[in-house]
Amino acid sequence: KQEVTQIPAALSVPEGENLVLNCSFTDSAIYNLQWFRQDPGKGLTSLLLIQSNQREQTSGRLNASLDKSSGRSTLYIAASQPGDSATYLCAVSVPRTDSWGKFQFGAGTQVVVTP
Amino acid sequence: DAGVIQSPRHEVTEMGQEVTLRCKPISGHDYLFWYRQTMMRGLELLIYFNNNVPIDDSGMPEDRFSAKMPNASFSTLKIQPSEPRDSAVYFCASSFYRANYGYTFGSGTRLTVV
Repeated sequence: KQEVTQIPAALSVPEGENLVLNCSFTDSAIYNLQWFRQDPGKGLTSLLLIQSNQREQTSGRLNASLDKSSGRSTLYIAASQPGDSATYLCAVSVPRTDSWGKFQFGAGTQVVVTP
Repeated sequence: DAGVIQSPRHEVTEMGQEVTLRCKPISGHDYLFWYRQTMMRGLELLIYFNNNVPIDDSGMPEDRFSAKMPNASFSTLKIQPSEPRDSAVYFCASSFYRANYGYTFGSGTRLTVV
């Protein structure tokens, strides 16, 4: 069974510092990986989707890398702002016939960016 | 597109009552997922559908939970009878294989059973 782990569970950084969020998974045969942001009391917003044949995806200040061989993905947020404070979750999907299209989620990293 | 639409946003009910949560996926999406989120357990997949057909309901906690998808634009999750331990935020998400299955989530329904 695919296990997804996000460490640390919580992180606090001063404004302007770069954020580095980690996601690890046990089964390297993934189909794709998706990063989400969740604000308190809100739903999940998709940030980036990386396909298994890609090494990274970028959107504005966000960059996500994928290393399937080591079972890791990293989300970088450049020049953090207080508005980046949220919980960040990663999710992976495995191309198995009995679970096609289904993502397994990590528990998330709660980020606080202090002014 | 209006995104994934869930209703109601909040639901407070008494123990033993029937609760029905609703979801309208993004038009054209062929997968629909129901998740439950709590502080203790995080996000749990309850059931998912492909082209309106239930594929995996192994996450449904017990027979009190049931889900239907009568057509491509509507799904319901029903709890009967409800219990206080069902209190959680219930999310619906949809995806499309041609978009590499990336999820789009609804805003969720916060259920409180008293």
